[in-house]
Amino acid sequence: NAGVTQTPKFQVLKTGQSMTLQCAQDMNHNSMYWYRQDPGMGLRLIYYSASEGTTDKGEVPNGYNVSRLNKREFSLRLESAAPSQTSVYFCASEAGDWDTGELFFGEGSRLTVL
Amino acid sequence: DQQVKQNSPSLSVQEGRISILNCDYTNSMFDYFLWYKKYPAEGPTFLISISSIKDKNEDGRFTVFLNKSAKHLSLHIVPSQPGDSAVYFCAASDNGGSNYKLTFGKGTLLTVNP
Repeated sequence: NAGVTQTPKFQVLKTGQSMTLQCAQDMNHNSMYWYRQDPGMGLRLIYYSASEGTTDKGEVPNGYNVSRLNKREFSLRLESAAPSQTSVYFCASEAGDWDTGELFFGEGSRLTVL
Repeated sequence: DQQVKQNSPSLSVQEGRISILNCDYTNSMFDYFLWYKKYPAEGPTFLISISSIKDKNEDGRFTVFLNKSAKHLSLHIVPSQPGDSAVYFCAASDNGGSNYKLTFGKGTLLTVNP
């Protein structure tokens, strides 16, 4: 019962470095999402992918890029990390049909940019 | 402009009593509402949802009430248990279709004291 798996769980970067957060789901879901959670800010949508081959910007896309590699995998890339990108990042997936609207979240990736 | 507001950052209740978590929204186009629960170092998990065509949805100890005229919803937990201690996020969607872009509130930390 893996569900949504994110890697890495923790990462420390220096300003200007790049990295990719990986996400994979094994539930055959169509839609996948990347959120960030900051203290006192709730969850904010960075990018989403409604289906394989499509991606769209969310509320806070600046400084990020995404790739929907296949139906299972959706990666988030920081090309030049900034301290403002210090956050906890959550990947999520959902079936994509009109059901409960339930998102399934990964355990999160805690990123610190120095 | 915060479209989903959880005005109480924290709530403390005694075990066995009722917990009431509140959520207000400003976007009259929202037509689907969800509650997620989040434990520390874990991803959020879906708890319960309600469509705008209903005013109540119940699932075991959890009941969500929706007052569309007041743009207000609440989550009732009866009876509260120590294991319910977590951050609760209210979320809303105006998509009305097969994909969701949820808007989350900032969350309320519920502490249930034994």
